[in-house]
Amino acid sequence: EVQLVQSGAEVKKPGESLKISCKGSGYSFTSYWIGWVRQMPGKGLEWMGVIYPADSDIRYSPSFQGRVTISADKSISTAYLQWSSLKASDTAMYYCARQSVAGLYFDFWGRGTLVTVSS
Amino acid sequence: QSVLTQPPSASGTPGQRVTISCSGSSSNIGSNTLSWYQQLPGTAPKLLIYRNNERPSGVPDRFSGSKSGTSASLAISGLQSEDEADYYCAAWGDTMNGPIFGGGTKLTVL
Repeated sequence: EVQLVQSGAEVKKPGESLKISCKGSGYSFTSYWIGWVRQMPGKGLEWMGVIYPADSDIRYSPSFQGRVTISADKSISTAYLQWSSLKASDTAMYYCARQSVAGLYFDFWGRGTLVTVSS
Repeated sequence: QSVLTQPPSASGTPGQRVTISCSGSSSNIGSNTLSWYQQLPGTAPKLLIYRNNERPSGVPDRFSGSKSGTSASLAISGLQSEDEADYYCAAWGDTMNGPIFGGGTKLTVL
C-alpha cells in the first residue's frame, strides 16, 4: 500500500526556521517525483515544487522559488520542505503528493502538516 | 485569482446529476490533460479523475470527466450526501513544471 506519512503540526514564531518531512512507503521512492502543495486557511491548492529523489532534481513554482527549499534523502525515503525565516503568511496546511509515472497528476497524497506562524 | 476558473459553489439534491466546470486556456487545459481532486471536509485531497476522463481504482463510476478545447467538466450522477466536498481541477501549464489548480468548487448536497 502506497503511503506518504507527514510530520506533525508545528507552531513557530516569525523569523524562525522549519523543516517538515514526508516519508514514502509501499513503492519505489526513487522512481516517482514528490510534490509539495500549499493550502492557506479557507483557500485553494497551490503547487510549490517537486523533487525527483533519485537524483534530487528539483523544480520550483515561480511563486515559491527562493522562499522555500525542497530536498530529499533517498536512503530513508523522505522528502523535505524547509523555510529559513518564517512569516505569518506561511501559516497553512502543507501536503506532499506523489506525482504519477505519466507525470501529469498526483496520485497519492499525504495527510498534510499544519504550520502555524504566530508571534 | 486562479488561471483555471471554476464556479465557487454548486449544489444538488440526492440522486441528482451535477456538473462542475473548469475553464482555462490553450497553454494549460488546451495542451495538457486534466485531473480532478476531491477534498472532503478536514481531509487531504484525493485523486478523482486523471487524463481528462479516467478514474483511479476505487472511484465510483458516478464520477466522470470530460474535456473539450480549453474547458473541462466533472459530472457527478446519483448525487449522495457523502459527495459534499471541495472539488479542484488541475492542468499542467506549458511554462510550469507542475500543475495549475483551479480555485475550487464547494459542492453542497441539499
